[in-house]
Amino acid sequence: GIQVEQSPPDLILQEGANSTLRCNFSDSVNNLQWFHQNPWGQLINLFYIPSGTKQNGRLSATTVATERYSLLYISSSQTTDSGVYFCAVGGYGGSQGNLIFGKGTKLSVKP
Amino acid sequence: GAVVSQHPSRVICKSGTSVKIECRSLDFQATTMFWYRQFPKKSLMLMATSNEGSKATYEQGVEKDKFLINHASLTLSTLTVTSAHPEDSSFYICSARDPATLVWVHEQFFGPGTRLTVL
Repeated sequence: GIQVEQSPPDLILQEGANSTLRCNFSDSVNNLQWFHQNPWGQLINLFYIPSGTKQNGRLSATTVATERYSLLYISSSQTTDSGVYFCAVGGYGGSQGNLIFGKGTKLSVKP
Repeated sequence: GAVVSQHPSRVICKSGTSVKIECRSLDFQATTMFWYRQFPKKSLMLMATSNEGSKATYEQGVEKDKFLINHASLTLSTLTVTSAHPEDSSFYICSARDPATLVWVHEQFFGPGTRLTVL
Protein backbone atom coordinates (compact mmCIF):
# COMPACT_ATOMS: atom_id res chain seq x y z
CA GLY A 1 0.00 0.00 0.00
CA ILE A 2 0.86 3.67 -0.15
CA GLN A 3 3.43 4.92 2.36
CA VAL A 4 3.07 8.42 3.79
CA GLU A 5 5.96 10.15 5.52
CA GLN A 6 5.70 13.48 7.29
CA SER A 7 8.53 15.70 8.43
CA PRO A 8 9.59 17.00 10.81
CA PRO A 9 7.97 14.87 13.52
CA ASP A 10 8.22 17.71 16.03
CA LEU A 11 8.51 21.46 15.55
CA ILE A 12 8.82 24.21 18.14
CA LEU A 13 8.31 27.78 17.01
CA GLN A 14 8.22 31.20 18.55
CA GLU A 15 4.97 33.06 17.97
CA GLY A 16 5.14 34.99 14.72
CA ALA A 17 7.52 32.60 12.98
CA ASN A 18 6.83 30.83 9.69
CA SER A 19 7.06 27.09 9.10
CA THR A 20 6.87 24.46 6.38
CA LEU A 21 5.59 20.95 6.94
CA ARG A 22 6.27 18.25 4.38
CA CYS A 23 4.39 15.14 3.30
CA ASN A 24 5.93 12.54 0.95
CA PHE A 25 3.91 9.72 -0.52
CA SER A 26 4.97 6.64 -2.41
CA ASP A 27 2.37 6.32 -5.19
CA SER A 28 -0.15 8.24 -7.28
CA VAL A 29 -3.06 9.60 -5.26
CA ASN A 30 -6.56 10.83 -6.00
CA ASN A 31 -6.99 12.43 -2.59
CA LEU A 32 -4.68 14.38 -0.33
CA GLN A 33 -5.90 16.18 2.74
CA TRP A 34 -4.20 18.19 5.47
CA PHE A 35 -5.73 18.17 8.95
CA HIS A 36 -5.10 19.91 12.25
CA GLN A 37 -5.98 17.76 15.25
CA ASN A 38 -6.93 19.96 18.16
CA PRO A 39 -6.28 19.07 21.84
CA TRP A 40 -9.71 17.42 22.07
CA GLY A 41 -8.97 15.11 19.17
CA GLN A 42 -11.15 16.73 16.52
CA LEU A 43 -9.68 16.63 13.04
CA ILE A 44 -10.11 19.98 11.36
CA ASN A 45 -10.04 19.93 7.56
CA LEU A 46 -7.40 22.39 6.38
CA PHE A 47 -7.05 21.57 2.71
CA TYR A 48 -8.27 19.09 0.14
CA ILE A 49 -5.37 19.30 -2.29
CA PRO A 50 -4.51 16.29 -4.48
CA SER A 51 -2.68 18.73 -6.75
CA GLY A 52 -2.00 22.43 -7.13
CA THR A 53 -1.84 25.27 -4.65
CA LYS A 54 -4.43 26.67 -2.24
CA GLN A 55 -4.41 29.40 0.36
CA ASN A 56 -6.63 30.08 3.33
CA GLY A 57 -5.58 33.01 5.47
CA ARG A 58 -2.21 32.34 7.06
CA LEU A 59 -2.16 28.79 5.75
CA SER A 60 -1.32 27.62 2.28
CA ALA A 61 -0.56 24.26 0.72
CA THR A 62 1.06 22.98 -2.43
CA THR A 63 0.97 19.46 -3.83
CA VAL A 64 3.30 18.40 -6.63
CA ALA A 65 1.65 15.15 -7.61
CA THR A 66 4.27 14.20 -10.21
CA GLU A 67 6.98 14.37 -7.55
CA ARG A 68 4.77 12.86 -4.83
CA TYR A 69 4.99 15.47 -2.13
CA SER A 70 2.89 18.13 -0.50
CA LEU A 71 3.87 21.13 1.61
CA LEU A 72 1.85 22.97 4.24
CA TYR A 73 2.95 26.53 4.99
CA ILE A 74 2.03 28.31 8.20
CA SER A 75 2.87 31.99 8.33
CA SER A 76 2.92 34.29 11.36
CA SER A 77 2.24 31.37 13.66
CA GLN A 78 0.01 31.81 16.70
CA THR A 79 -0.24 29.76 19.91
CA THR A 80 -3.60 28.47 18.71
CA ASP A 81 -1.81 26.80 15.79
CA SER A 82 -0.31 24.30 18.23
CA GLY A 83 -1.37 20.69 17.81
CA VAL A 84 -0.72 17.80 15.47
CA TYR A 85 -0.87 18.26 11.71
CA PHE A 86 -1.69 15.18 9.66
CA CYS A 87 -1.33 14.54 5.97
CA ALA A 88 -3.57 11.77 4.59
CA VAL A 89 -3.78 10.36 1.10
CA GLY A 90 -6.11 8.15 -0.86
CA GLY A 91 -4.85 6.00 -3.67
CA TYR A 92 -6.51 4.78 -6.85
CA GLY A 93 -6.27 1.22 -5.58
CA GLY A 94 -7.67 2.01 -2.13
CA SER A 95 -10.86 0.42 -0.88
CA GLN A 96 -13.63 2.88 -1.72
CA GLY A 97 -11.70 5.99 -0.95
CA ASN A 98 -10.23 5.38 2.48
CA LEU A 99 -7.38 7.61 3.66
CA ILE A 100 -3.89 6.57 4.73
CA PHE A 101 -2.45 8.85 7.38
CA GLY A 102 1.10 9.93 8.01
CA LYS A 103 2.42 9.93 11.56
CA GLY A 104 1.89 13.64 11.92
CA THR A 105 3.94 16.70 12.83
CA LYS A 106 3.51 17.96 16.38
CA LEU A 107 3.71 21.74 16.35
CA SER A 108 4.24 23.77 19.51
CA VAL A 109 4.04 27.55 19.21
CA LYS A 110 5.51 29.40 22.21
CA PRO A 111 4.30 32.90 23.19
CA GLY B 1 -18.24 21.99 4.81
CA ALA B 2 -20.12 18.81 5.64
CA VAL B 3 -20.73 18.07 9.35
CA VAL B 4 -20.27 14.67 10.99
CA SER B 5 -21.24 13.99 14.59
CA GLN B 6 -20.41 11.15 16.96
CA HIS B 7 -22.07 9.96 20.14
CA PRO B 8 -21.02 9.48 22.85
CA SER B 9 -17.91 11.65 23.01
CA ARG B 10 -16.56 9.68 25.94
CA VAL B 11 -17.49 6.35 27.49
CA ILE B 12 -16.11 4.34 30.39
CA CYS B 13 -17.23 0.75 30.76
CA LYS B 14 -16.38 -2.42 32.59
CA SER B 15 -14.53 -5.26 30.93
CA GLY B 16 -16.91 -7.67 29.20
CA THR B 17 -19.60 -5.16 28.31
CA SER B 18 -20.51 -3.96 24.82
CA VAL B 19 -20.39 -0.35 23.71
CA LYS B 20 -22.15 1.24 20.74
CA ILE B 21 -20.80 4.35 19.03
CA GLU B 22 -22.94 6.32 16.58
CA CYS B 23 -21.69 8.32 13.62
CA ARG B 24 -24.09 10.65 11.84
CA SER B 25 -23.79 12.86 8.79
CA LEU B 26 -25.86 15.90 9.73
CA ASP B 27 -26.29 17.84 6.50
CA PHE B 28 -25.65 15.29 3.79
CA GLN B 29 -26.24 11.65 2.94
CA ALA B 30 -23.23 9.39 3.09
CA THR B 31 -23.31 6.09 1.23
CA THR B 32 -19.86 5.32 2.60
CA MET B 33 -18.47 5.98 6.04
CA PHE B 34 -15.13 5.00 7.51
CA TRP B 35 -14.07 4.00 11.03
CA TYR B 36 -10.59 4.78 12.32
CA ARG B 37 -8.79 4.05 15.55
CA GLN B 38 -6.11 6.20 17.16
CA PHE B 39 -3.85 5.22 20.05
CA PRO B 40 -2.29 7.95 22.24
CA LYS B 41 0.32 9.99 20.40
CA LYS B 42 -0.13 7.81 17.33
CA SER B 43 -1.64 8.21 13.89
CA LEU B 44 -5.06 7.11 12.68
CA MET B 45 -5.48 3.56 11.41
CA LEU B 46 -8.41 2.54 9.24
CA MET B 47 -10.50 -0.22 10.80
CA ALA B 48 -13.31 -0.68 8.30
CA THR B 49 -15.31 0.84 5.49
CA SER B 50 -19.05 1.00 6.13
CA ASN B 51 -21.46 0.85 3.21
CA GLU B 52 -25.13 1.71 3.48
CA GLY B 53 -27.24 -1.39 3.10
CA SER B 54 -24.40 -3.88 2.85
CA LYS B 55 -21.71 -5.52 4.91
CA ALA B 56 -18.71 -3.57 6.08
CA THR B 57 -15.26 -4.18 4.66
CA TYR B 58 -12.70 -4.74 7.40
CA GLU B 59 -8.97 -4.07 7.21
CA GLN B 60 -6.56 -6.91 7.75
CA GLY B 61 -6.12 -7.70 11.42
CA VAL B 62 -9.41 -6.15 12.55
CA GLU B 63 -11.75 -8.68 14.13
CA LYS B 64 -15.17 -8.28 12.53
CA ASP B 65 -16.86 -10.21 15.36
CA LYS B 66 -15.30 -7.86 17.91
CA PHE B 67 -16.08 -4.63 16.05
CA LEU B 68 -19.60 -4.84 14.61
CA ILE B 69 -20.47 -2.19 12.05
CA ASN B 70 -23.96 -1.38 10.84
CA HIS B 71 -24.85 1.25 8.23
CA ALA B 72 -28.62 1.07 8.22
CA SER B 73 -29.34 4.47 6.72
CA LEU B 74 -27.64 7.10 4.58
CA THR B 75 -26.96 9.25 7.63
CA LEU B 76 -26.07 6.76 10.35
CA SER B 77 -23.35 4.20 10.90
CA THR B 78 -22.74 2.43 14.21
CA LEU B 79 -19.69 0.69 15.63
CA THR B 80 -20.28 -1.78 18.45
CA VAL B 81 -17.31 -2.96 20.45
CA THR B 82 -18.42 -6.33 21.79
CA SER B 83 -17.15 -7.84 25.03
CA ALA B 84 -14.78 -4.93 25.46
CA HIS B 85 -11.42 -5.42 27.19
CA PRO B 86 -8.82 -2.91 28.39
CA GLU B 87 -6.80 -3.33 25.20
CA ASP B 88 -9.82 -1.99 23.25
CA SER B 89 -9.41 1.35 25.02
CA SER B 90 -8.72 3.89 22.30
CA PHE B 91 -9.97 6.95 20.43
CA TYR B 92 -12.43 5.95 17.70
CA ILE B 93 -13.13 8.38 14.85
CA CYS B 94 -15.55 8.11 11.96
CA SER B 95 -15.53 9.94 8.65
CA ALA B 96 -17.81 10.31 5.67
CA ARG B 97 -17.71 11.55 2.13
CA ASP B 98 -20.50 13.59 0.57
CA PRO B 99 -21.48 11.82 -2.65
CA ALA B 100 -23.30 14.93 -3.84
CA THR B 101 -19.96 16.48 -4.67
CA LEU B 102 -18.31 15.89 -8.00
CA VAL B 103 -17.47 12.25 -8.55
CA TRP B 104 -13.74 12.89 -8.64
CA VAL B 105 -13.75 14.83 -5.36
CA HIS B 106 -12.87 12.48 -2.53
CA GLU B 107 -12.69 14.88 0.39
CA GLN B 108 -13.62 13.30 3.72
CA PHE B 109 -15.08 14.94 6.80
CA PHE B 110 -14.43 13.61 10.27
CA GLY B 111 -16.48 13.30 13.42
CA PRO B 112 -15.17 14.60 16.76
CA GLY B 113 -14.24 11.12 17.97
CA THR B 114 -15.22 8.87 20.88
CA ARG B 115 -12.80 8.13 23.67
CA LEU B 116 -13.40 4.62 25.02
CA THR B 117 -11.91 3.51 28.33
CA VAL B 118 -12.43 -0.10 29.40
CA LEU B 119 -11.73 -0.80 33.06
